[in-house]
Amino acid sequence: EADIYQTPRYLVIGTGKKITLECSQTMGHDKMYWYQQDPGMELHLIHYSYGVNSTEKGDLSSESTVSRIRTEHFPLTLESARPSHTSQYLCASSPDGHYGYTFGSGTRLTVV
Amino acid sequence: QKEVEQNSGPLSVPEGAIASLNCTYSDRVSQSFFWYRQYSGKSPELIMSIYSNGDKEDGRFTAQLNKASQYVSLLIRDSQPSDSATYLCAVIKRGGSQGNLIFGKGTKLSVKP
Repeated sequence: EADIYQTPRYLVIGTGKKITLECSQTMGHDKMYWYQQDPGMELHLIHYSYGVNSTEKGDLSSESTVSRIRTEHFPLTLESARPSHTSQYLCASSPDGHYGYTFGSGTRLTVV
Repeated sequence: QKEVEQNSGPLSVPEGAIASLNCTYSDRVSQSFFWYRQYSGKSPELIMSIYSNGDKEDGRFTAQLNKASQYVSLLIRDSQPSDSATYLCAVIKRGGSQGNLIFGKGTKLSVKP
């Protein structure tokens, strides 16, 4: 039973549109993460947060931005979508890295 | 040298055999180790965690850790076609990254009926 939710599950959008991918968790976890993964490829960390009002960029440069106004909510925004943003975006959370991460179901984004 | 290395495979085993998946990591201060299973088009699912040297068993899965050799493995006994997936090794490095998971590229396992 998933306690971390991502919406939408699939999204097809035109170039230049602004989009926000939603991620919410009900576990009270302080740490949250966004990963980008192309089909058959490795996970790339693009953003993370250790708590409210705390956000950092990850290892992979991304044109997206994130916010953490509430513990349970960690949305990712693309101001102007491009075809190069086509990918799967995975959100994860953890109470403490020692216990590993729980992943959401992901959002598969296609920019046409 | 990559921080977490795995053979990308594919690793093909017959149904009922033991599948052995290996992972090496570069940073000696690493403290926590995880195996995730990822089916095609799905998100990773945590299947095993291990923190101290030795073996840890959970059903058909056994994780093995050797910190001196910087090596962690996953054994899957009595492999089933439903085990066919990509297996990701992940390591937490204490220190500058404050505990972010570092993932390997994953090993693709195929279990043939």
